[in-house]
Formats: sequence, C-alpha cells, structure tokens
Amino acid sequence: AQSVTQLDSQVPVFEEAPVELRCNYSSSVSVYLFWYVQYPNQGLQLLLKYLSGSTLVKSINGFEAEFNKSQTSFHLRKPSVHISDTAEYFCAVNTNQGAQKLVFGQGTRLTINP
Amino acid sequence: NAGVMQNPRHLVRRRGQEARLRCSPMKGHSHVYWYRQLPEEGLKFMVYLQKENIIDESGMPKERFSAEFPKEGPSILRIQQVVRGDSAAYFCASSPTGATQPQHFGDGTRLSIL
Repeated sequence: AQSVTQLDSQVPVFEEAPVELRCNYSSSVSVYLFWYVQYPNQGLQLLLKYLSGSTLVKSINGFEAEFNKSQTSFHLRKPSVHISDTAEYFCAVNTNQGAQKLVFGQGTRLTINP
Repeated sequence: NAGVMQNPRHLVRRRGQEARLRCSPMKGHSHVYWYRQLPEEGLKFMVYLQKENIIDESGMPKERFSAEFPKEGPSILRIQQVVRGDSAAYFCASSPTGATQPQHFGDGTRLSIL
C-alpha cells in the first residue's frame, strides 16, 4: 500500500519570499506523483505531475517539484510567492500496478502575508 | 463548461434521510472516481467506476454507501440513512484512461447533516 506524508500542515511566508512544501511517500512499486492545489470552496486543480523522465517538473505559474527516488520525496518549491498562491496544496501518489486511486497527503495550507 | 460537473454544490439532510450526489465527467472521460474530504483532512479514495462497472470500491464504507455509473447519465453516489459523521465534502474526478492520466476534479458537494 502507498502512503503520503506532508510534513507541514501550515506554512506562512511573506510575499516574494521562497517557499518549499515537503512531501514524502512510501511505496513498494513505481509511482506517479502529483501536486494539486485547492482554493477555498473549490475542487482540486492539477499543479504538476511526475510520470517518468526528468526528475524536475515545472508548472506554468512558477512552481517546480523534484522527484528524489532515494529520499522518496517530491517537494514543491517556488522561488518567489505571490498573494494569489494562498491555498491548500496536496501531494498525491498513484501507481502503475493497476490501482487507479490517488492516495493523498493531509495537505499543507500556504498563507502568503503582505 | 467542459469540466467535471457536480451537483448539488451544497446539500443539507437530516439524520436518517438519503443523500444523492451527482457527477458528470469531462467529455471523453470514461473513468470516474469519488473521494471524501473530512474537515481538516486530505482526500480519501472511496470508489472507482467505469461505465456500468465498479472497478474498485475498497474505500467505500460497507453499509449505507453505494455508487453507480450507468451507461447513460451521470455517476451517482448514494448515502442512505445519513448520520452526522457523513458530513464532508465529496469530490468526483474523471480521467480518460489509466493511471498516467491525471484526474480532473469537480468543485465538490458539501454535505451537511443536521
């Protein structure tokens, strides 16, 4: 079975500061990794994904995440955050072994202060 | 709107009543997933369906909960004889095919039990 741990439930940062949201996973098989963002009273939106290939993946709005197999991590980073980045961020894992369900972490609430 | 459509957005029921939650997947998507988000928690997988088939219901409570995805019409998550603990946000997601395809989420149905 897979599991995902997001080490920080809340992360407050100042606008234009860098941020890292941590995600570690546990799986005995190969995984696909995802970051989703959830704005208040909305559903989840895919931010970025790792399926294979380059271990560094980037989104169109400046976020990036790096798959580290030895550390079993998929941390999310942004060099300079904006007020509009305030949201809840979920790390999720899926496998290529037939199971289609996403296993989510508990979420990290990112709060950007002016 | 070509996204995943869920209705109603908010549903209030008294204990003992039935709740029906609907989900229309994105056009061209034949895989539907239901997740539940309890307050201050991440999303938990409930059930995975393809047209007319339940593929994985390992996350469904054994009693009172059922799901279907008929040949025609939306997927339905049905909760019979609701209890206070059923209060949560229920999200539907869809994907075109297998595990490498990201799941696209609806805005959810927020179920409140009085």
